[in-house]
Amino acid sequence: QVQLQESGPGLVKSSETVSLNCTVSGGSIGGFYWTWIRQPPGKGLEWIGYIDDRGYTKYNGSLKSRAAISVDTSENHFSLRLNSVTAADTAVYYCARSPTFGVVIEHYFDYWGQGILGAVSS
Amino acid sequence: SYELTQPPSVSVSPGQTARITCSGDKLGDKYVCWYQQKPGRSPVLVMYQDSKRPSGIPARFSGSNSGNTATLTISGTQAVDEADYYCQAWDRIAVFGGGTKLTVL
Repeated sequence: QVQLQESGPGLVKSSETVSLNCTVSGGSIGGFYWTWIRQPPGKGLEWIGYIDDRGYTKYNGSLKSRAAISVDTSENHFSLRLNSVTAADTAVYYCARSPTFGVVIEHYFDYWGQGILGAVSS
Repeated sequence: SYELTQPPSVSVSPGQTARITCSGDKLGDKYVCWYQQKPGRSPVLVMYQDSKRPSGIPARFSGSNSGNTATLTISGTQAVDEADYYCQAWDRIAVFGGGTKLTVL
């Protein structure tokens, strides 16, 4: 059974960079796309971006190039860096997996981590 | 940017059929999936590619998508189905609906 586990600091200061990690267990990073999604308290879901095992990335333009996702296939984990954070970035951050059909990404998320609260203080 | 619209809330009596809609421009031309999220928990995929159920999702969940509207139908709704439901589609990026709170009265 594939499991995803987020880790990282729970609190960062405004204008700083938050770095989150997602460790994948029970399966390989290879052959899938790996995504970050966030959910502000009491609000809906927002897609941040994804990466594949070769390092190809795609991001939500609403983040204005503040996000960067990287992958370490040897450690079976991928990471999110979000710079210049503000209070609006306070959210539960989820990592998730998108399956593939051959080499084509299937645009849904079949496994999710438990989420980690990333709070931004002023 | 592409938008998906869901009703904020839907109420249903136990044993009845709940229908949660998701609207978007020419949504029927895209694949839609649905997630169930209970308080304090991660979302769970309950439907993908419009009408396919992942392993472990009860058969009372079904989906359809045509025209501008996708629908998640829960037949014989149970108290355990009370949750927030989000639709999602892909339009150059993943787009989520605003979510629908399903209340089982």
